Amino acid sequence: AQTVTQSQPEMSVQEAETVTLSCTYDTSESDYYLFWYKQPPSRQMILVIRQEAYKQQNATENRFSVNFQKAAKSFSLKISDSQLGDAAMYFCAYRSAGYSGGGADGLTFGKGTHLIIQP
Amino acid sequence: DTAVSQTPKYLVTQMGNDKSIKCEQNLGHDTMYWYKQDSKKFLKIMFSYNNKELIINETVPNRFSPKSPDKAHLNLHINSLELGDSAVYFCASSRQGAYNSPLHFGNGTRLTVT
Repeated sequence: AQTVTQSQPEMSVQEAETVTLSCTYDTSESDYYLFWYKQPPSRQMILVIRQEAYKQQNATENRFSVNFQKAAKSFSLKISDSQLGDAAMYFCAYRSAGYSGGGADGLTFGKGTHLIIQP
Repeated sequence: DTAVSQTPKYLVTQMGNDKSIKCEQNLGHDTMYWYKQDSKKFLKIMFSYNNKELIINETVPNRFSPKSPDKAHLNLHINSLELGDSAVYFCASSRQGAYNSPLHFGNGTRLTVT
């Protein structure tokens, strides 16, 4: 079974600064997908960014980028120019690309990192 | 237009009662899930359905019974509620076989058992 570890329960950053959230995972599979989700106090689960394991290029979405190190099984999220609206819980998630069940195994989540933005 | 909608948003009930949470998605997805988020915010899959067929049934007490009347709906019925069932329950959906496709989540149902 796959596991996802987020070693930082809480992080704090000044507004406009850059912060990096860590995520490591354990898997014996070679093909999989990784995601970062954001959960603000409203409880919504919002997709931030995704990465295909077969792609060497790191994904970027505006101020959000990842550092994907497949050999090290590491998938960190960098938020540049932090804004007050970035304050939320951030979850790293793993999805197997196995073909049994048509993908119904869903996502395996880490325990989350609570990101605080200091004005 | 809400993609994945859950009702109710909040549910407060007493121990021993039976309650249901409803979920509907209008994304045309084939696969639907129930996740439980505990008080420490940990998200864990409970069930998944693919084309109305149960695929995953994690170690969940049999007081929890999912029901999928059609591909667009996955309801969760809970019998004999216990204090430990208090949590936020999320419904989600995704396209069958589209592993790079994210799960789309509902806004969650906060269940409080007193």
